[in-house]
Amino acid sequence: GNSVTQMEGPVTLSEEAFLTINCTYTATGYPSLFWYVQYPGEGLQLLLKATKADDKGSNKGFEATYRKETTSFHLEKGSVQVSDSAVYFCAPPGFQKLVFGTGTRLLVSP
Amino acid sequence: EPEVTQTPSHQVTQMGQEVILRCVPISNHLYFYWYRQILGQKVEFLVSFYNNEISEKSEIFDDQFSVERPDGSNFTLKIRSTKLEDSAMYFCASSYGQGVAGANVLTFGAGSRLTVL
Repeated sequence: GNSVTQMEGPVTLSEEAFLTINCTYTATGYPSLFWYVQYPGEGLQLLLKATKADDKGSNKGFEATYRKETTSFHLEKGSVQVSDSAVYFCAPPGFQKLVFGTGTRLLVSP
Repeated sequence: EPEVTQTPSHQVTQMGQEVILRCVPISNHLYFYWYRQILGQKVEFLVSFYNNEISEKSEIFDDQFSVERPDGSNFTLKIRSTKLEDSAMYFCASSYGQGVAGANVLTFGAGSRLTVL
């Protein structure tokens, strides 16, 4: 079945640092790929998505490119802010459900 | 922007009691889900629901659990006899489609925190 491997956290950065959170996937075909984010005390919300190979999803300064050749969908941001502190989930594709792992906790200090 | 609403936001119950968690999905969505997150742990899939029946469930979703769409707007999760280990945040989600590029984006509610004493 489809699955993802996501880097474990926590990732601790200073404000304005560059962020990369790695995610690689295995899938049948070319499904849509997603990043979700969970801010403290809240539910998950869609951060960005890409629906086909070479697509770049972007939102709130975050980007991820759907790389078919490396089966990756790494999340990047050029300059993180304290308000980006949250747990980030690379969501594996599936037809009946999305399966989330533990996510990667990002801690940004001033 | 349309949102998924969940009630109650927090419920405290005694072990062995029945609990019903309620969700109002986005009105034009067709697929409904329950997930749970034990504090500090991963978000676990419980069940998906479509066309008034369960389409998939996890091994967590045993006979203690049931889901229902009693009317055109609500989607409920019932836990028949709660156990201490049921203490978690329960998230409802809905989506317009499944298996179609981009259509299976889930919109989550803010969650219902269940504390079993």
